[in-house]
Amino acid sequence: QSALTQPPSVSGSPGQSVTISCTGTSSDVGNYNGVSWYQQSPGTAPQLMIFEVGNRPSGVPDRFSGSKSGNTASLTISGLQAEDEADYYCSSYTSTSTFVFGTGTKVTVL
Amino acid sequence: EVQLVESGGGLVKPGGSLRLSCAASGFTFTDYTMNWVRQAPGKGLEWVSSITSGSSYIYYADSVQGRFTVSRDNAKNSLYLQMNSLRAEDTAVYYCARDYYAGISAAGFDYWGQGTLVTVSS
Repeated sequence: QSALTQPPSVSGSPGQSVTISCTGTSSDVGNYNGVSWYQQSPGTAPQLMIFEVGNRPSGVPDRFSGSKSGNTASLTISGLQAEDEADYYCSSYTSTSTFVFGTGTKVTVL
Repeated sequence: EVQLVESGGGLVKPGGSLRLSCAASGFTFTDYTMNWVRQAPGKGLEWVSSITSGSSYIYYADSVQGRFTVSRDNAKNSLYLQMNSLRAEDTAVYYCARDYYAGISAAGFDYWGQGTLVTVSS
């Protein structure tokens, strides 16, 4: 199972919006709503930010939103804040009942 | 409060074995599918294995199939990963993680442990 494709990095100024793409195939992202997004700061465990494509767990700010179109999922951070600087990973359920993660994206707040 | 605490990591020689444990508390362990995810130093996340609540369904990544065995003891609220025939490329921090929903779901992993480092080197 190949990793989902994410851009290595995205950046934005405070208050701006950034969008991270996550491209898979019809065997994962394209055919399942089991797409999730994780935020990871250095030296810490990943934190779930979005589950089932576009749902936010309790406690996650509403400036984080998720969507999907075809084989590509997206995470948008609106009103970027300094504390959002971290690595972000997407994940998808697959046709073989396994999971695959994305390659990861570093978000930099300028 | 949900807590997941991994243990058992360490330094092992290529070809060796190691058993990781994950102690769960703060939720009804018997209701949830549990997972192992690893992260090599400086690299991204890699899903390793999943085991459903009653151990009826078990899945592995191709990279560990035939070498790793996941199990759980619901009476002890514990998850395990037996790792055999270890290779240098298995060097990583290993996290246990809980499924978001009770039962069988693919929604995502909502609670993670702090991770335990496995280093495979001669």
